[in-house]
Amino acid sequence: NAGVIQTPRHKVTGKGQEATLWCEPISGHSAVFWYRQTIVQGLEFLTYFRNQAPIDDSGMPKERFSAQMPNQSHSTLKIQSTQPQDSAVYLCASSSRGGGNQDTQYFGPGTRLLVL
Amino acid sequence: GDSVTQKEGLVTLTEGLPVMLNCTYQTIYSNAFLFWYVHYLNESPRLLLKSSTDNKRTEHQGFHATLHKSSSSFHLQKSSAQLSDSALYYCALSDTPFGVGDNSKLIWGLGTSLVVNP
Repeated sequence: NAGVIQTPRHKVTGKGQEATLWCEPISGHSAVFWYRQTIVQGLEFLTYFRNQAPIDDSGMPKERFSAQMPNQSHSTLKIQSTQPQDSAVYLCASSSRGGGNQDTQYFGPGTRLLVL
Repeated sequence: GDSVTQKEGLVTLTEGLPVMLNCTYQTIYSNAFLFWYVHYLNESPRLLLKSSTDNKRTEHQGFHATLHKSSSSFHLQKSSAQLSDSALYYCALSDTPFGVGDNSKLIWGLGTSLVVNP
């Protein structure tokens, strides 16, 4: 079991450019979560899919962030017109069911995004 | 709404001393499920321990925590800190207890950075 895979591990973009982050959940897991991690805000929930359907995107900045899960083996987080304040580590996690209750979330290594 | 509070952003200890990281929570549900996740540098965050049973001690890898619903607390403890315990620790709450809907997610605290010095 390879665990949750995230690519790229590091990404540097210029202000105003687009960034696309990829996540491959653990095979068989039905839930995928995206988080943003910063020193100031800690671990911020962004969005959540279950069985590929979007369940909760309450943490997503509405204007420039979007997430998709076109199939059960990968999800993408897209940030349009990146800004320096988007610089963070973006973490993807998967779990076997809903993710809450008693389900353990398994995290990927993260993508460290730096917007210059 | 539901929330998790980790009042210490940074805890610095000398090796061998006891560890206690605070976690308190607020929820409208009586059946809260609490988690501690640990994030070591250059690794992925991973589950350390979890509990939903009131007043029962849960242990893993030398750490322990007891859920106290009367005080809405789930403090993480260890009797003797090791250098390798230096990491970021997150407390989290399940916002929908088992059996009440199936679209729950975790509510996260801001995290406590533990630094253990020689």
